[in-house]
Order: sequence, then C-alpha cells, then structure tokens
Amino acid sequence: NAGVTQTPKFQVLKTGQSMTLQCAQDMNHEYMSWYRQDPGMGLRLIHYSVGAGITDQGEVPNGYNVSRSTTEDFPLRLLSAAPSQTSVYFCASSPYLGDNEQFFGPGTRLTVL
Amino acid sequence: DAKTTQPPSMDCAEGRAANLPCNHSTISGNEYVYWYRQIHSQGPQYIIHGLKNNETNEMASLIITEDRKSSTLILPHATLRDTAVYYCIGRSAGNMLTFGGGTRLMVKP
Repeated sequence: NAGVTQTPKFQVLKTGQSMTLQCAQDMNHEYMSWYRQDPGMGLRLIHYSVGAGITDQGEVPNGYNVSRSTTEDFPLRLLSAAPSQTSVYFCASSPYLGDNEQFFGPGTRLTVL
Repeated sequence: DAKTTQPPSMDCAEGRAANLPCNHSTISGNEYVYWYRQIHSQGPQYIIHGLKNNETNEMASLIITEDRKSSTLILPHATLRDTAVYYCIGRSAGNMLTFGGGTRLMVKP
C-alpha cells in the first residue's frame, strides 16, 4: 500500500490564483482530513470528511473548499490564494470516525506571493 | 475539548529513557489522549493513545495518572532518530485532533 499520498510536494502561487491540492489514500479509509501547519506551530484542521459525499468544516475553513466524490480522494481547493495561506498542508486518513490512528501524508509546501 | 500543556523543549541522552510530560486537566471522562510525533518536516506519525489504563506498544509506553489530568510518554531507549516534536493531543468531536505546540525532544549522543 502507498498509504496517503499528496501532490504536489511544493507549489508557488501568485495572489489571486487558484489551485487544487491532491490527496489520495489506498487503505479504504472512511475518514479523511486536511490540516495546515504554519512555521513553528502545531497543525490546525481545515476540513474533514467522514465518507464519500460528506464533508464538514474544521477550525480554519475560510478560503478553502473540499469535495469527496470517492472514498480514495479528498482534494483541497484554494479559490483565490492569499499570502496568509502560505503554509504546509497535510492530508490524513483513518479507518473511521472515532478513536483510532490517523495516517498522515508527506505534506505540500505552498508559498503564496 | 481537552487543552493540553507540554514543555516546549527537552533534552535526552542517547540510550536513556525519555519521559515527556503532558497536562490535560480539562479532559473529559471519555476523551482519549493521543501522542503523535513529527520528525523534521514530515507528516505527523502516530505513537500511542490511551483512556485511563497505561498502554505500551513497540514504540513507547503511556502512563496516565489516576485522575487523568496528566500523562507521560516514555521512550525507553531513546535514539538519535527519536529527535522530533512530540504532540500530546486531545480529541474533540468530529475526530479532530487538536494540535498544540508540542515538545521538541533533542536526543544527544
């Protein structure tokens, strides 16, 4: 199993551009989530999904959209990038909503100029 | 949600036990405590979690006080590869892991 994969690894955007960060998992996990990590800080939850077709907001959802059309994929969309969205983005998955281990991807480092 | 408090940094000699404390005085009765670590800029890695009994796995041991207001993660024989930021985390509704600042553990030769 590849686990949780994220693309791209690095991305530079100009203010106002849009892009999609990709996240995929091959473990048939129901629960997937997106976090951002600013320099020297802990992770903050952006959006999460408890299954295909179901998404909900986390702690810092503004400026981001998500969808979950399949169990495997959970893309994160930035509609109009802002410098405040410069961060490292991590995707995670776990078998179900509840007390269990979350598996994290390697991250996408995004810089918005 | 449990608010967790950890020391910002700790040192440990290679081969010795690393004991990382965490205070979670606001934890609710059915809320688990999770420990993750993040090595350099990689994605966080799960270590262990527990409710009220002590737990042990191949990576570490977790000691939870009887009143559940604090816990200690024990790495029995720290190696240089254990140098990382360790997060003690409470879990809120929606399976959100609430990450704080963590403890930066430096294992020294």
